[in-house]
This record gives sequence, C-alpha cells and structure tokens, in this order.
Amino acid sequence: AQRVTQPEKLLSVFKGAPVELKCNYSYSGSPELFWYVQYSRQRLQLLLRHISRESIKGFTADLNKGETSFHLKKPFAQEEDSAMYYCALSDEGNDYKLSFGAGTTVTVRA
Amino acid sequence: EPEVTQTPSHQVTQMGQEVILRCVPISNHLYFYWYRQILGQKVEFLVSFYNNEISEKSEIFDDQFSVERPDGSNFTLKIRSTKLEDSAMYFCASSGVGSSYNEQFFGPGTRLTVL
Repeated sequence: AQRVTQPEKLLSVFKGAPVELKCNYSYSGSPELFWYVQYSRQRLQLLLRHISRESIKGFTADLNKGETSFHLKKPFAQEEDSAMYYCALSDEGNDYKLSFGAGTTVTVRA
Repeated sequence: EPEVTQTPSHQVTQMGQEVILRCVPISNHLYFYWYRQILGQKVEFLVSFYNNEISEKSEIFDDQFSVERPDGSNFTLKIRSTKLEDSAMYFCASSGVGSSYNEQFFGPGTRLTVL
C-alpha cells in the first residue's frame, strides 16, 4: 500500500529565507507525486507535479527515487506562501486516487 | 475558470440521520472523487466514480455510504445513518481524464458536524 509522510506539522520561516518541506513516500510501482496547497479559507489546489518538472510561484520539487523523497523547496519565502501544503501520491492502479500526507503548515513571518 | 462547487458549506445533523452532500464537478470531467478530512488528520480517499459506477472505494466507504450521479451534473455522497465519527470536512474532486498527468480539481468542501 502506498504511504506519504510529511514529518513536519509546522514550519515557520522569515520572509526571504529558504524553505524546504519534506515528503517521503512508499509505493511499489512507479510513483506520480504532487504538491497541493491550501491557502487560508480557500480550496485545495495543485501547486506542482513531478512529471512536469516545473517551477510554480518559485517552488520546485525533485523526485528522488533512491531516497523515496519529493521535497518542496523555495529559495526565498514570501508572506503569501503562508499556507497548508500537502504532498500526495497518485495511484495509477486505482483510478489515480490521491494518497495525502498529513500536511505541513507554513508560516512566513515578516 | 470552471470550478467544482459543493453544497452545503456546513451541515449539522443528529446522529442516526441521513445526509446528502452535493457536488457539481467541472462539466467535461470524467472522474469524480470524494475525500474526507477529520479535524487534525490527513485528507483520506473515500471513493472514485467513473462511467456511472464506483470504480474504487476505501475501507472507510462502508455500507452506510453511497454515491450517485443522478442527472449528469450533480455528484452526491449519501451517508445513511450518520455517526459521531463521520464529522469531518468532505471534499469532492474531479479530473478530466484518468491520468496522473491530469490535475484533480477540488471543491471548497462541506463541513459535516454530527451531534
């Protein structure tokens, strides 16, 4: 069974500082990984997916199959990055249902 | 930009009562999902629906739960006899095509409180 672990429940950084959110996974197949973000009083929305190798809002995430990790990074955090971040794994064999990590609340302080 | 909508935003019910949570997925999407999040816990998959039938369900989705797409636009989750532990945020999601390339779009959620 697939499993996604986000070890940090809370992360607080100063504006302009780097931020890294950790995500580890276990999955027997070839994983498809995503980061979803939920800003205050808004819905869950896709931030980025590993397959597209893109940078969104300055965030990047690299899939490391050796370490089974998909950490999310941003070199210079902004106040508007304060949100809840969820790492998720898509199960291709089961209708692409998403398995979520527990989430990390990021607070960026001025 | 099209969005997934959910009603009501908050539902309060007595234990043992039936509730129906409603979702309107994005119109040309083919895959539909329900997830739930108990306060303080992770978002959990409940059920996926494709081609007018359940295609996958979790162990949480027992006989008390059912889903329907009654009219081609709405996608409903029914809980027949609610329990205290059903109190949670329920999210509906839809995606265009079954592929990990395709984003699941989430609704704003319905907060269900069972008293």
